[in-house]
Amino acid sequence: QVQVQESGPGLVKPSETLSLTCTVSGGSISSYYWSWIRQPPGKGLEWIGYISSSGATSYNPSLKSRVTISEDTSKNQFSLKLKFVTAADTAVYYCARHVSDSSGYYLLFFDSWGQGTLVTVSS
Amino acid sequence: ETVLTQSPVTLSLSPGETATLSCRASHSVNNFLAWYQQKPGQAPRLLIYDASNRAAGIPARFSGSGSGTDFTLTISSLEPEDFAVYYCQQRNNWPSFGGGTRVEIK
Repeated sequence: QVQVQESGPGLVKPSETLSLTCTVSGGSISSYYWSWIRQPPGKGLEWIGYISSSGATSYNPSLKSRVTISEDTSKNQFSLKLKFVTAADTAVYYCARHVSDSSGYYLLFFDSWGQGTLVTVSS
Repeated sequence: ETVLTQSPVTLSLSPGETATLSCRASHSVNNFLAWYQQKPGQAPRLLIYDASNRAAGIPARFSGSGSGTDFTLTISSLEPEDFAVYYCQQRNNWPSFGGGTRVEIK
């Protein structure tokens, strides 16, 4: 049973960089695709980007210029960096595993989620 | 960008009734649509993917249908634990989510 857990600072100053880590247990990060998704308080969900089982990345075009997702396979972790944050980036940030279908393809749907971590952008 | 519009925004029903939730896409997403349930303070839970495939461990009272631009999530005989917010999500290009439907107790 794969489990994922987000960690990182809960408060970030405007214009600085938000950095979060997702730790995976019960499975190797190299065996799945992984995404970051966020949810502003009281609002809907927004996909940020993913990292594939081989380390390739893809980002939401609306955030692409500010986002980097990377992995540390030795620690079975992957990370999110979001530069130049503003109050609009205040949200609960989730990491999630992609669905793998019966043919072994990784779909852009998410079947295992972390509990989420609230990041507030404020001075 | 594919925009997903969910309706109604709020659905007021009693336990035992059937819930019918709608999700409409601005462009065809084939059958590349999922449904999630989210309860307060919790992460979303995948219910249905590729329009009609139930995720592992999801009860049979949850069913999905549709293709192209119009999709439906049906919850037959609502249980008390089914009152929550439901989101649809497409994967035709980059993933995007609908605004959600709240299913509340009448």
